[in-house]
Amino acid sequence: DVKVTQSSRYLVKRTGEKVFLECVQDMDHENMFWYRQDPGLGLRLIYFSYDVKMKEKGDIPEGYSVSREKKERFSLILESASTNQTSMYLCASSSPGQGEKLFFGSGTQLSVL
Amino acid sequence: KNEVEQSPQNLTAQEGEFITINCSYSVGISALHWLQQHPGGGIVSLFMLSSGKKKHGRLIATINIQEKHSSLHITASHPRDSAVYICAVSTNFGNEKLTFGTGTRLTIIP
Repeated sequence: DVKVTQSSRYLVKRTGEKVFLECVQDMDHENMFWYRQDPGLGLRLIYFSYDVKMKEKGDIPEGYSVSREKKERFSLILESASTNQTSMYLCASSSPGQGEKLFFGSGTQLSVL
Repeated sequence: KNEVEQSPQNLTAQEGEFITINCSYSVGISALHWLQQHPGGGIVSLFMLSSGKKKHGRLIATINIQEKHSSLHITASHPRDSAVYICAVSTNFGNEKLTFGTGTRLTIIP
């Protein structure tokens, strides 16, 4: 069974902390994505990566960075967490090509206090 | 104005009813996705389509490219269909950078 695994289901951090969210996929997918989901706003793309060590900014990259050192792992980093980064974070992966199916992780609900 | 608009935002129906959820978009697309999100957060991809119609079990998705509109239908709805249904469009060939609607919350009452 194909899988996208996010390291934590719930996370509580303090303002100013450095936060790492990890995502691992076992499908050998080239593309990986980080989204955040907020009520009334839908999913918004933070960063995506189409290959190892490659990354591109999404719609809301401010305050975030990413790392993709290995094909299966895509990390989202909050350098200095702020309360407005409290959100549900979702990782996804896919293969390139026209309209290939997306596979999502189960999400990490991050609360920044 | 969002590039992807869904209607209705919330829908409550009795078990067995035929359900229709609509999605309109304002940009040229390469594909449209329908996703299902159950309470707890996990998202499952239901359909990806770029023309015509697709069917999987009790779910049917249609798209009209000229009218920039797609519908998701559920026949013989069941309480386990209760979820948020999300429409998303791909605007770039070759990758999956999606623009998402805000979702339709469906509740099926037994």
